[in-house]
Amino acid sequence: GENVEQHPSTLSVQEGDSAVIKCTYSDSASNYFPWYKQELGKGPQLIIDIRSNVGEKKDQRIAVTLNKTAKHFSLHITETQPEDSAVYFCAANTGNQFYFGTGTSLTVIP
Amino acid sequence: SQTIHQWPATLVQPVGSPLSLECTVEGTSNPNLYWYRQAAGRGLQLLFYSVGIGQISSEVPQNLSASRPQDRQFILSSKKLLLSDSGFYLCAWSVSPGSKTQYFGPGTRLLVL
Repeated sequence: GENVEQHPSTLSVQEGDSAVIKCTYSDSASNYFPWYKQELGKGPQLIIDIRSNVGEKKDQRIAVTLNKTAKHFSLHITETQPEDSAVYFCAANTGNQFYFGTGTSLTVIP
Repeated sequence: SQTIHQWPATLVQPVGSPLSLECTVEGTSNPNLYWYRQAAGRGLQLLFYSVGIGQISSEVPQNLSASRPQDRQFILSSKKLLLSDSGFYLCAWSVSPGSKTQYFGPGTRLLVL
């Protein structure tokens, strides 16, 4: 089955700096890669996603890149703000199933 | 617009007691439905998913079961809870077929004592 690895597990950045979270996957059949933000005690919220026929997607301060050959994808957050502090999860989708990374706890220091 | 509900929000149960968690989706028809468990500080583990009424796929062997008695209702159950069943349970849905975007409910925090 699919195996998704996510790094780093924790990340601290100064407000205004950029944050990058990286994920790798193993199944070349995976073709959809969402990113979720989870605040304490709440369900994950979709923040951006990318499909396998696209290399990069951007939404304001958030961008995702996908390298199908290397089987890795990354989340980029620019001009970080304290409200960006949360746990971020990547996922890979094959068929009806989603496989999640273990999460990155991002802390933005004011 | 679509909305997903889960209840209860928090539950404290003794070991060996039964469990029933409910998830309902509004504003869509024939969704794919999912149950995940999230242990403290860990990622999401897929427990069950369903592509239609009465159709349940199990991902991991355990003492939990799932049922889908109605199109937009997904229930997670157990006859006898174990300590290891403690965690944060999340229900999610996605459009079937079509967009693969998956949306999560607010979750149920279960503590088994």
